[in-house]
Amino acid sequence: SQQGEEDPQALSIQEGENATMNCSYKTSINNLQWYRQNSGRGLVHLILIRSNEREKHSGRLRVTLDTSKKSSSLLITASRAADTASYFCVPGRSQGNLIFGKGTKLSVKP
Amino acid sequence: GAVVSQHPSWVICKSGTSVKIECRSLDFQATTMFWYRQFPKQSLMLMATSNEGSKATYEQGVEKDKFLINHASLTLSTLTVTSAHPEDSSFYICSASWEGQGGTDTQYFGPGTRLTVL
Repeated sequence: SQQGEEDPQALSIQEGENATMNCSYKTSINNLQWYRQNSGRGLVHLILIRSNEREKHSGRLRVTLDTSKKSSSLLITASRAADTASYFCVPGRSQGNLIFGKGTKLSVKP
Repeated sequence: GAVVSQHPSWVICKSGTSVKIECRSLDFQATTMFWYRQFPKQSLMLMATSNEGSKATYEQGVEKDKFLINHASLTLSTLTVTSAHPEDSSFYICSASWEGQGGTDTQYFGPGTRLTVL
């Protein structure tokens, strides 16, 4: 497995605004996952997008994947204070360990 | 579904003692479990990968004699920090996955255990 690089490292927005986080990776993948970690807590799996998919939705989350550019984005619409967390992208090929990058620290102000 | 629990959620111990952390998959059989460590304001670092019934595979730089991992059943893995020292203070997180996920890497994470060594 390889490490994804999230951008920006930190993002601060007002409640109700949309938040967009980007992820880049280096080698070909079978899928890419996004995880969320609230401060001092475990990780929560948000969404998995396969290499043959370009876009996927889950509630207020929208994930895109561009394999030609080796990049992905996570959009959170109508953000809430509870969305404040660190978000990690994890590119994958097959069963195995996951490698986490530094993540994007999102702060949503009420 | 796919719930992973950890126990304890936090522990404070004296230097030199050993601490055992349990990781359980509550509603599925985990063929593989992973142990991560996270220092404050840093990302997760994989410590080891364990498959049920076999020895754990440790990442480079992780002392296997200090961090004992046992994966005795398909629903339980334990991490024992032996002779703990203050530098072992960290947030330890386990995750679990199973075969038959269609070649995905999806791991389900426990809530973590915060270890403080005095």
